[in-house]
Amino acid sequence: ELKVEQNPLFLSMQEGKNYTIYCNYSTTSDRLYWYRQDPGKSLESLFVLLSNGAVKQEGRLMASLDTKARLSTLHITAAVHDLSATYFCAVDTGNQFYFGTGTSLTVIP
Amino acid sequence: NAGVTQTPKFQVLKTGQSMTLQCAQDMNHEYMSWYRQDPGMGLRLIHYSVGAGITDQGEVPNGYNVSRSTTEDFPLRLLSAAPSQTSVYFCASSPRAWVVGNEKLFFGSGTQLSVL
Repeated sequence: ELKVEQNPLFLSMQEGKNYTIYCNYSTTSDRLYWYRQDPGKSLESLFVLLSNGAVKQEGRLMASLDTKARLSTLHITAAVHDLSATYFCAVDTGNQFYFGTGTSLTVIP
Repeated sequence: NAGVTQTPKFQVLKTGQSMTLQCAQDMNHEYMSWYRQDPGMGLRLIHYSVGAGITDQGEVPNGYNVSRSTTEDFPLRLLSAAPSQTSVYFCASSPRAWVVGNEKLFFGSGTQLSVL
């Protein structure tokens, strides 16, 4: 059974601080996704990481992928309140997508 | 651009009732799928379709039926609702049957379903 695990599940951080969310998965996959979900809303794509060593950055968020370790990280730099949301990672097997449990991030002023 | 449209946004059912959650996309996507989102469990795949006339089961298919008669529509049917089916349901689509390159899932706005 394919598993996608995220940690932490809940994260409360002060504005201006840095932190990393981790995503481990149990199958070989060259592709990993990060999504953001605001409360009561749908999922919005943040990043698609396509290969080992891939790194993508958008604003204060940077995602990386290590396919050998089956690990992806989402690094938050100098957090601001607008980043408060739930973040999901996901992998695919071609035609099935498997999501992590999500990390609920709260940025405190 | 409408993208992926789900209806209704909210629904309350009594145990044993049936209903259909509607999903339509206007992007000519081959792949469509249904997920349920429960607290602490992320999103779990219910059913998916790689094209009109083709459907398959995901992780949690029991209690749900789907059909794909057109490329645009992928309805999810609950035949006899149970309280365990209380959840938020998302429909999602992707351009091709098998993901290629940086293709990704596009999500609808969700349906919040309560079964009493």
